[in-house]
Amino acid sequence: DGGITQSPKYLFRKEGQNVTLSCEQNLNHDAMYWYRQDPGQGLRLIYYSQIVNDFQKGDIAEGYSVSREKKESFPLTVTSAQKNPTAFYLCASSMVGGRQPQHFGDGTRLSIL
Amino acid sequence: AQSVTQPDIHITVSEGASLELRCNYSYGATPYLFWYVQSPGQGLQLLLKYFSGDTLVQGIKGFEAEFKRSQSSFNLRKPSVHWSDAAEYFCAVGSSGNQFYFGTGTSLTVIP
Repeated sequence: DGGITQSPKYLFRKEGQNVTLSCEQNLNHDAMYWYRQDPGQGLRLIYYSQIVNDFQKGDIAEGYSVSREKKESFPLTVTSAQKNPTAFYLCASSMVGGRQPQHFGDGTRLSIL
Repeated sequence: AQSVTQPDIHITVSEGASLELRCNYSYGATPYLFWYVQSPGQGLQLLLKYFSGDTLVQGIKGFEAEFKRSQSSFNLRKPSVHWSDAAEYFCAVGSSGNQFYFGTGTSLTVIP
C-alpha cells in the first residue's frame, strides 16, 4: 500500500544534540511538508518542498533544517539551536496544486532528556 | 492573508446525537477546503474536501460538510455520532501555492 512512513515514532534528544527525523513516501508525490504540532496550536509549517533539491521555509523554520535529495525522502533535522523542540512532528505529501489534499504520516514525538 | 478559525476548542456530545463542528476561513479567491480527523498519537486522515460545485460534500465515516460562501464557513456535520468518532478535528484551506492553513482544531468527546 502507498503511504508515508515516519521514523522513529519516539525520539529523545540530549542538550546540544542534533537529531534527524525520517520521512519517506511512495505515493509519487512531488510536494512534501513538515509540521510541528503543539497542544492547542494546531499544525505549524516548518519547511516544504515542491521539487527535488528545492525547499522553502515555513512559519517556524528557525532551528530546523531539511534536505530533498530524492523525491521519496524529506528528512528533518532538529538542531541544537531549537531551544524548545519537544513536540509532535508530522510529515505530509501531496501532488502539486492547492486543491490536492495532503496525506500524513503517523508522526514522531520528540522529547528532551 | 489566509486563515482558518475553529471557534470551538472542545465539544462533548452523547452517542447517537447529531454533531456540527464549525469552521470559518479567510481567503481572497475561491478556497480549497478540507476536513481532517486525528486520533491520539496518529497522523491526520482526510475526511472530505471541497473545490467547487455542489456546496454539500460527502465524506468518509458518514461525515458531510456544507460550504457557505456568504458566511465564509465550511461546517462539518454528522447525523448520529458513534463513540469511535472521538478525536481531534481540523479544518484547512489550501492555497494556489500549495500551502495549507490549518485551524487550531476541535477536540470531540463522545459520552455513552
